[in-house]
Amino acid sequence: ELKVEQNPLFLSMQEGKNYTIYCNYSTTSDRLYWYRQDPGKSLESLFVLLSNGAVKQEGRLMASLDTKARLSTLHITAAVHDLSATYFCAVDPLVRETSGSRLTFGEGTQLTVNP
Amino acid sequence: NAGVTQTPKFQVLKTGQSMTLQCAQDMNHNSMYWYRQDPGMGLRLIYYSASEGTTDKGEVPNGYNVSRLNKREFSLRLESAAPSQTSVYFCASSEMVWTGGDEQYFGPGTRLTVT
Repeated sequence: ELKVEQNPLFLSMQEGKNYTIYCNYSTTSDRLYWYRQDPGKSLESLFVLLSNGAVKQEGRLMASLDTKARLSTLHITAAVHDLSATYFCAVDPLVRETSGSRLTFGEGTQLTVNP
Repeated sequence: NAGVTQTPKFQVLKTGQSMTLQCAQDMNHNSMYWYRQDPGMGLRLIYYSASEGTTDKGEVPNGYNVSRLNKREFSLRLESAAPSQTSVYFCASSEMVWTGGDEQYFGPGTRLTVT
């Protein structure tokens, strides 16, 4: 059974600081997704990581994937209040040529950025 | 484009009542999914449909049934609601792209309370 663990689960940080969220998973996979969820809202896709060594950046967020270590990181640079949300990683363990991903989600990291 | 839409947005049921949650997507995606999200947890897959005409169980299918009505619509039915099914239900859809990614797009969610 695939397990996906995120840490920390809760993160309170000051504006302007840097921090990293970690996502470990228990089985071989080279497809990992990061999502953001604001309170009471749906999930918004942030990054799609599809190979070992993949790195994606958008604004103050950068995600990377190390398939050998079964680890993805979401790095936050110079945090701002607008980044306050819950961040989920999700892993697709199957290798397919057609649609139909079976994602296993981590518990989520609740990020609060304080002024 | 509306993306993924869900109805209703909110619902209160009594134990033993039945209801159907509706989901539709206008992105011409082949695959559709139903998840539930409980407080403080990530999403758990209930059922999915890799393509029109097929459905498969996910991690937590007990107490639910699904129907893939056509390529656009995927419904989730609770035959006899139980308090343990109180949750937020999300529908999603995806389509494999040439890079191998199968990014899922989520609807706004249905908040269901069973008393």
